[in-house]
Amino acid sequence: GESVGLHLPTLSVQEGDNSIINCAYSNSASDYFIWYKQESGKGPQFIIDIRSNMDKRQGQRVTVLLNKTVKHLSLQIAATQPGDSAVYFCAVNWGDRDDKIIFGKGTRLHILP
Amino acid sequence: GAGVSQSPSNKVTEKGKDVELRCDPISGHTALYWYRQRLGQGLEFLIYFQGNSAPDKSGLPSDRFSAERTGESVSTLTIQRTQQEDSAVYLCASSLLIGANVLTFGAGSRLTVL
Repeated sequence: GESVGLHLPTLSVQEGDNSIINCAYSNSASDYFIWYKQESGKGPQFIIDIRSNMDKRQGQRVTVLLNKTVKHLSLQIAATQPGDSAVYFCAVNWGDRDDKIIFGKGTRLHILP
Repeated sequence: GAGVSQSPSNKVTEKGKDVELRCDPISGHTALYWYRQRLGQGLEFLIYFQGNSAPDKSGLPSDRFSAERTGESVSTLTIQRTQQEDSAVYLCASSLLIGANVLTFGAGSRLTVL
């Protein structure tokens, strides 16, 4: 089956620095790769997605990079702010092969003052 | 409503009792998903609905779990004869269309089985 895993369970970053959250995947048949953010006591919130035929996509202060050669996905957050403190999940959408989104285990991002 | 609403927000029950968790999705969203999140863990898929039909029930952990959706709106997740390992946050999400990347989640129902 599919597995979506993360390299580090917790990441501590100085406020103002850039954050890089990594994710590895095993199944190359995914149509989309997705990042969600979950703040304490809330449900996950969509951040950004990237189609499997792309290498890079930018949003507001966030960039997602996809390296299909090594099956690696990353989320970069520029100028990290206290409000970025949350758990970040990578997820996959297999498109027509499946209609559900599968989530990874998550990385907790801790912002240091 | 403006978002996905779940109730109760917290439920404490005794082992062996039945519980019902409710989800009110965003009006007009045809797809509705249930996930389970144990403490400090990721999201575990349980079931999804397209309209009132549940094409994929593969994530339900056992036959003690069931779910239904009526009127292409409200969904209820029922857990019978609860066990301590059922303790978790149960998250509901909806999307305009099935297979969308953007799911809107509710805040979840935290279930504690004593």
